[in-house]
Amino acid sequence: AQSVAQPEDQVNVAEGNPLTVKCTYSVSGNPYLFWYVQYPNRGLQFLLKYITGDNLVKGSYGFEAEFNKSQTSFHLKKPSALVSDSALYFCAVRERSGNTPLVFGKGTRLSVIA
Amino acid sequence: DTEVTQTPKHLVMGMTNKKSLKCEQHMGHRAMYWYKQKAKKPPELMFVYSYEKLSINESVPSRFSPECPNSSLLNLHLHALQPEDSALYLCASSLDSPTNTEAFFGQGTRLTVV
Repeated sequence: AQSVAQPEDQVNVAEGNPLTVKCTYSVSGNPYLFWYVQYPNRGLQFLLKYITGDNLVKGSYGFEAEFNKSQTSFHLKKPSALVSDSALYFCAVRERSGNTPLVFGKGTRLSVIA
Repeated sequence: DTEVTQTPKHLVMGMTNKKSLKCEQHMGHRAMYWYKQKAKKPPELMFVYSYEKLSINESVPSRFSPECPNSSLLNLHLHALQPEDSALYLCASSLDSPTNTEAFFGQGTRLTVV
């Protein structure tokens, strides 16, 4: 069965500093990996995905994530955080075979402090 | 058009009421999903429709009844709900091909059962 772990409930970072939101996964075979962001009382917005190819994936709003197969990780990063990045971030995984839906991690709340 | 549209945005209903949530997408996606999300928790999968057929039901109580009238529409019929069913209900869709697997989410319906 596929699963996702986000070990941090909360990440605090000062504006302008780099940020990292951690994610590890477990699937049989190769995964599809995703990051979504959710602002208060809103749906989830897609940020980026890893399907195949380059391990460093660039996405929306200056975010990027690095796929590390040996560590089964897909950490979300941004070189310089903005206050407007404060939100709830979800990592998700999907198996490549069949019509399997996304499985989400529990979420990490990011607070960027001015 | 890259939107998933959900109506209504907010719904308050009594435990004896019957109501329906609606979801619409015009991206040609053939997989559609209902998720339930409680505050500060990840979305929990309820139902998956693939090519207008119900493919996954995550042991959801029968007071929730999904319907997919056509490839663009997804409904969730509600009857005799309980206060603990109050949550944000998210609809999502995906192309469901190996190279385009991200799900697009609607803004959600905030449901309150009184």
